Amino acid sequence: GENVEQHPSTLSVQEGDSAVIKCTYSDSASNYFPWYKQELGKRPQLIIDIRSNVGEKKDQRIAVTLNKTAKHFSLHITETQPEDSAVYFCAAQNTGFQKLVFGTGTRLLVSP
Amino acid sequence: KAGVTQTPRYLIKTRGQQVTLSCSPISGHRSVSWYQQTPGQGLQFLFEYFSETQRNKGNFPGRFSGRQFSNSRSEMNVSTLELGDSALYLCASSLVAGSADNEQFFGPGTRLTVL
Repeated sequence: GENVEQHPSTLSVQEGDSAVIKCTYSDSASNYFPWYKQELGKRPQLIIDIRSNVGEKKDQRIAVTLNKTAKHFSLHITETQPEDSAVYFCAAQNTGFQKLVFGTGTRLLVSP
Repeated sequence: KAGVTQTPRYLIKTRGQQVTLSCSPISGHRSVSWYQQTPGQGLQFLFEYFSETQRNKGNFPGRFSGRQFSNSRSEMNVSTLELGDSALYLCASSLVAGSADNEQFFGPGTRLTVL
């Protein structure tokens, strides 16, 4: 069935370091890959997304890469700040439907 | 524009009871999806609705049901509650279903506790 694996489950970095979170999806029909940030007690919020016809997308300190052949996609955060501390979820979607298949989440802790 | 709203925000029920949760999408959005979030299982898809029709359903028992009204508002119902149904229930809305403009916006969730 559809599955998204996400690693690592926890990630601790020092402020200013880079953080990388990796996901692998199983459904070849997936063609949209959003990343959500969820702070404690709050709703998931979209931080960046990528469509299957694009290999890389960047938005200031955040970038996402996609390797369709290997079914891998990754989130890169540079120059991390304490306010980046949160749980990050990757997801995969076949845009024929709205269903998002989520990874298990990565708890990112950025220490000052 | 107001965001996605969910009511109630918190709910405490006992085993065997039933519960109805409500979701109002962003104005103009016609697609609503529901997710269950638990520490053990993460975020799991429940169902999605578009134009009052259920388009897709996740792997949940028949105790979980939903519907969408003509104004795009959606409700989900859980009957015969079990302890394991304790979770944060999130709904998400998007402009349309199955198009390139498919960013989903999440509501704040309803925290359901089953005692």
